[in-house]
Amino acid sequence: AQSVTQLDSHVSVSEGTPVLLRCNYSSSYSPSLFWYVQHPNKGLQLLLKYTSAATLVKGINGFEAEFKKSETSFHLTKPSAHMSDAAEYFCVVRDRGSTLGRLYFGRGTQLTVWP
Amino acid sequence: DADVTQTPRNRITKTGKRIMLECSQTKGHDRMYWYRQDPGLGLRLIYYSFDVKDINKGEISDGYSVSRQAQAKFSLSLESAIPNQTALYFCATSDPGTDSYNEQFFGPGTRLTVL
Repeated sequence: AQSVTQLDSHVSVSEGTPVLLRCNYSSSYSPSLFWYVQHPNKGLQLLLKYTSAATLVKGINGFEAEFKKSETSFHLTKPSAHMSDAAEYFCVVRDRGSTLGRLYFGRGTQLTVWP
Repeated sequence: DADVTQTPRNRITKTGKRIMLECSQTKGHDRMYWYRQDPGLGLRLIYYSFDVKDINKGEISDGYSVSRQAQAKFSLSLESAIPNQTALYFCATSDPGTDSYNEQFFGPGTRLTVL
């Protein structure tokens, strides 16, 4: 079975400080992992995805995530927050052993960036 | 992303009414999905379709039906809307190809309110 736990429903940071959004997953098989971002009144945009080629994945807008199998984690980080990063972020797992292609979403983390 | 469009973008209706939400895509993808988003719950899968002749229930299909009119079109219907179907609805597409890591591409969403 697959599931995703986003450990914080809300995260607040000051502009210019680091961002850490935490995600733990469970998967019966080798997982595909994704982070999506949703800005207000917008659809979901892919930030980055884990492809097993490298455990440290770089995405758009300076975000990156590290896959840690031993900890079943895929935390999202950014060295310096920008006001435009304020949005909701979703950690997503897909079971690569399944042909169904279903995605399992975490409940989301709302990121607030203070000036 | 204009490649996946949803109509209408906003809809207010009354309990008991029949509602259809439409999704069109120009990405040429075979797989299409309908999700609903509720605050604090992430996205949950309603129905998915792998081609025109293939329709599958997701985790919360009760009260919904779908129609895959063509490769590019996938409609979601609420036969008799009820207030707890008030939510943000997303259509998504994917192309499995040979890459098991392919992400899904999301439309801008339809905000449905059932009074």
